[in-house]
Amino acid sequence: QVQLQESGPGLVKPSETLSLTCSVSGYSISSGYYWGWVRQPPGRGLEWIGYVSHSGSTYYSPSLKSRVTISVDTSKNQFSLRLSSVTAADTAVYYCARGPLTYRDYWGQGTLVTVSS
Amino acid sequence: QSALTQPASVSGSPGQSITISCTGSSSDVGNYNYVSWYQHHPGKAPKLMIYDVSKWPSGVSNRFSGSKSGNTASLTISGLQAEDEADYYCSSYTSSSTLMFGGGTKLTVL
Repeated sequence: QVQLQESGPGLVKPSETLSLTCSVSGYSISSGYYWGWVRQPPGRGLEWIGYVSHSGSTYYSPSLKSRVTISVDTSKNQFSLRLSSVTAADTAVYYCARGPLTYRDYWGQGTLVTVSS
Repeated sequence: QSALTQPASVSGSPGQSITISCTGSSSDVGNYNYVSWYQHHPGKAPKLMIYDVSKWPSGVSNRFSGSKSGNTASLTISGLQAEDEADYYCSSYTSSSTLMFGGGTKLTVL
């Protein structure tokens, strides 16, 4: 069974960089699919952030593209999210998820990241 | 790039059927048969219910069905059950090679 688990700091200061890692078990990232991130701000809907292919090709939300980097580490079977220059508007539950380009079939449980000084 | 448009809420009684709409544009829903639907219970991981407009992932009940006409996709849930009460999100692949979600619909089972 494919499982994804997010990890990283739950509190980030404004203007700093948010960094999260997603550890994958039950499937080898190098075998295929697109690995990415979705977030949900408090009281709001889901927002697609972006994804990376097993070979490192990246696709990002136009609204976040200037601040986002998603990368993959096949040796550790993990992939990561970096979001720079964060503000309170980046406070959200962040989910990692797998799938083809067109949908997400396996999701992590999510991790809350709060941006506050 | 605006979110796909969904009704904020829908409701129905046990055993009834409900339909949730998802309206996009010719750059997303209207141009691709790549609409997916997710069920989200608060505090849990979203669950894929429908992909490629009308296909079921393994293990998903066929009480859930999807369709599309023009720029609008729909999710129909038949034989409503109490455990169906959740938030539902549509998503579409776009001409920019990105994914876009709808604003979400809260389903209340009366």
